Amino acid sequence: GAGVSQSPSNKVTEKGKDVELRCDPISGHTALYWYRQSLGQGLEFLIYFQGNSAPDKSGLPSDRFSAERTGGSVSTLTIQRTQQEDSAVYLCASSLTGASYTQQFFGPGTRLTVL
Amino acid sequence: GENVEQHPSTLSVQEGDSAVIKCTYSDSASNYFPWYKQELGKRPQLIIDIRSNVGEKKDQRIAVTLNKTAKHFSLHITETQPEDSAVYFCAAPLNYKLSFGAGTTVTVRA
Repeated sequence: GAGVSQSPSNKVTEKGKDVELRCDPISGHTALYWYRQSLGQGLEFLIYFQGNSAPDKSGLPSDRFSAERTGGSVSTLTIQRTQQEDSAVYLCASSLTGASYTQQFFGPGTRLTVL
Repeated sequence: GENVEQHPSTLSVQEGDSAVIKCTYSDSASNYFPWYKQELGKRPQLIIDIRSNVGEKKDQRIAVTLNKTAKHFSLHITETQPEDSAVYFCAAPLNYKLSFGAGTTVTVRA
């Protein structure tokens, strides 16, 4: 079956512009995660959605970052007024349930470059 | 919160030798420990995981060991091959989500 997909695969933008990154989780997966991976670094948790519960936004680095998940499926991560330090690969993952022991399946990521 | 430490950050091994990566965690209630492999430019993929009710798990050339008393777990790769070259991440639960280690870049020299 289809895995987690993300679009676009690459995004180049100018400093100060807004960007939207999209994630399509595996069908039926109730949990969805966004991570940020800077060059040569580990996975930095950003936000977590589980079913209809309020999202855990504790990892968002600033109020320029926001995310939503419509209909419990597709998610969009929005970065407003982008800065050069926002340049990174943004990874989305989904899992069947929100339990921590449930395997997370990652998407291919969106490579964001802010000039 | 959970703090997962991973060592070493880089590891170079001769093809055919073994590679060992170690991780420690802080939350004694943690009960699930996955390992992900990320090849250059690719997405992280789960290669093996272990639950807290077992001390060791093997899958062909890969094994993971868990010491709950010491709160550390390790990934062992035997008979390394060039395709094992990648970044490896360990993780441990932080409430309902995973906290990842900083990653180990493994290079297998031919």
